[in-house]
Amino acid sequence: ETGVTQTPRHLVMGMTNKKSLKCEQHLGHNAMYWYKQSAKKPLELMFVYSLEERVENNSVPSRFSPECPNSSHLFLHLHTLQPEDSALYLCASSQGRGPPYEQYFGPGTRLTVT
Amino acid sequence: AQSVTQLDSQVPVFEEAPAELRCNYSSSVSVYLFWYVQYPNQGLQLLLKYLSGSTLVKGINGFEAEFNKSQTSFHLRKPSVHISDTAEYFCAVSGYSSASKIIFGSGTRLSIRP
Repeated sequence: ETGVTQTPRHLVMGMTNKKSLKCEQHLGHNAMYWYKQSAKKPLELMFVYSLEERVENNSVPSRFSPECPNSSHLFLHLHTLQPEDSALYLCASSQGRGPPYEQYFGPGTRLTVT
Repeated sequence: AQSVTQLDSQVPVFEEAPAELRCNYSSSVSVYLFWYVQYPNQGLQLLLKYLSGSTLVKGINGFEAEFNKSQTSFHLRKPSVHISDTAEYFCAVSGYSSASKIIFGSGTRLSIRP
């Protein structure tokens, strides 16, 4: 595997379910990001991890819980989501957390909340 | 803080014709500028970036962009487009400081007509 991988690629879950999204980067980077991409809206940065430490949380509801066990893996734990949380969730990585940003993105997980 | 505006949500172009996707930014400090491309069912891929130096930046797949400081623009161009260029294109900006975030535009859909 090369680059940034995400699993699953598609996920349908009910509002009472608990699920997790997984991201893995094979680039030797030390910063990882979660973004939310909704139709017709700019990318929303959710969380930033640098050297496995959460350094940014952009007012994301607590029903989203990130986890970064090491510099290669990033998880997004989901529970009691709302229909408006349906979106494409993108993971990205970069070498270093600051500018100039050259982020490498995974293919995303298409999440549908029913 | 920085902001970025992509002036067109969709740009239709005939195959082998030139294309221009417009991007304007706002910032009180010097900036780094980026264009990312997102093909259907994929994540974002860095197309090109302006960090410093020459204002004309060449990227992958025959794309180029010109940084115009006086007009605060960073328009993306390609002299002759192909069907395979059909995608969503995102302009992004960040400041120089370590606390600066990368801000993405809302995207421009480039649709190629045969």
